[in-house]
Amino acid sequence: QKEVEQNSGPLSVPEGAIASLNCTYSDRGSQSFFWYRQYSGKSPELIMFIYSNGDKEDGRFTAQLNKASQYVSLLIRDSQPSDSATYLCAVFSGNTPLVFGKGTRLSVIA
Amino acid sequence: GAGVSQSPSNKVTEKGKDVELRCDPISGHTALYWYRQSLGQGLEFLIYFQGNSAPDKSGLPSDRFSAERTGGSVSTLTIQRTQQEDSAVYLCASSFGSSGGTDTQYFGPGTRLTVL
Repeated sequence: QKEVEQNSGPLSVPEGAIASLNCTYSDRGSQSFFWYRQYSGKSPELIMFIYSNGDKEDGRFTAQLNKASQYVSLLIRDSQPSDSATYLCAVFSGNTPLVFGKGTRLSVIA
Repeated sequence: GAGVSQSPSNKVTEKGKDVELRCDPISGHTALYWYRQSLGQGLEFLIYFQGNSAPDKSGLPSDRFSAERTGGSVSTLTIQRTQQEDSAVYLCASSFGSSGGTDTQYFGPGTRLTVL
């Protein structure tokens, strides 16, 4: 059973701070990793994906992947109240659909 | 409008009735996925299609649930004899279906199903 684990939160950070969202996965053969954002009452939207160890930056977002430790994280710099949402981690292991975590709820306090 | 579309956006039905939910994927996407999301919960995988075939039906919760896809495009999720526990948002996603690890799923707006 392939599992993706996330802390459900809520994770509360003050406006302007760095929000750090973490995700661990069970399948060591996992190949790529996706972060989705889901606003309340809306459908998930892709933020970014990563498949190589290390960091990948896109604007205020940085994904970090450590395959040896089987975790992937998402950092949000200069957090804004508009970043308040649930963040879903999803893992691709080849020939099967993405496995999603249950998500971490982020609250950015103005 | 090149995104995934779903219809209806909202469906209220009585217990025991059948419902059909429709998903129209992004043009050119060969893979299509159905998920269910109950209030405040994570995504529950139901089924996915590669073309018209469904390699993985493991997530369908019971034999009251079925799905089909014709012409490699539109898909219909059918729930027979609906129960109150079927109330949820049903999300559809599509992707190019490439074998590489960067095959990204794009989600539709969902159908909110309420069973009274």
